Amino acid sequence: QQQVKQSPQSLIVQKGGISIINCAYENTAFDYFPWYQQFPGKGPALLIAIRPDVSEKKEGRFTISFNKSAKQFSLHIMDSQPGDSATYFCAASMNSGYSTLTFGKGTMLLVSP
Amino acid sequence: DTGVSQNPRHKITKRGQNVTFRCDPISEHNRLYWYRQTLGQGPEFLTYFQNEAQLEKSRLLSDRFSAERPKGSFSTLEIQRTEQGDSAMYLCASSSPNKRLNTEAFFGQGTRLTVV
Repeated sequence: QQQVKQSPQSLIVQKGGISIINCAYENTAFDYFPWYQQFPGKGPALLIAIRPDVSEKKEGRFTISFNKSAKQFSLHIMDSQPGDSATYFCAASMNSGYSTLTFGKGTMLLVSP
Repeated sequence: DTGVSQNPRHKITKRGQNVTFRCDPISEHNRLYWYRQTLGQGPEFLTYFQNEAQLEKSRLLSDRFSAERPKGSFSTLEIQRTEQGDSAMYLCASSSPNKRLNTEAFFGQGTRLTVV
């Protein structure tokens, strides 16, 4: 049973464009939703995270939109840059994040120059 | 460097051999997690420790896998009688006990295991 579903599997965006990655979860006990960025050969690194008491969180060019009733959340990367080319994983956790992470399958983003 | 450190970075082993990986977490973090990541997939939880106590194990952790965290510091993950299906990236992460401030899990760079 896949508890966090992520789409699309891959995404190509032109430089300066908006990248949008979507995730849906099933377990209503989840209360912490981070996004991780992973470059080849590296471990995942936290990009931005949200808790369900807010519907949106923005940090620089990265924004998470959260829809609690639909059990969906998405990552928006504004003004996408070639350096953003990486694999992005959404995840979900309980206990305000102080618990194990359930990851989506990942989205491979390529930002073309 | 105060991040999560994993050794070795790469390991090639023959099927049937035993392998052991080491993880050194961020020093003030009391939780340590092991995940496994196969090509094209997200990391999957294997097990975690709070201090030296192993609190949860995934059903993915067969009896050929064992993890320890003596003294609540570094951790080792051992795989006995390796199989080709064990080929994956093994990731270690640690997190802070301070829930109020920051519960972020910091990941190491992983150990890439190839079983031939």
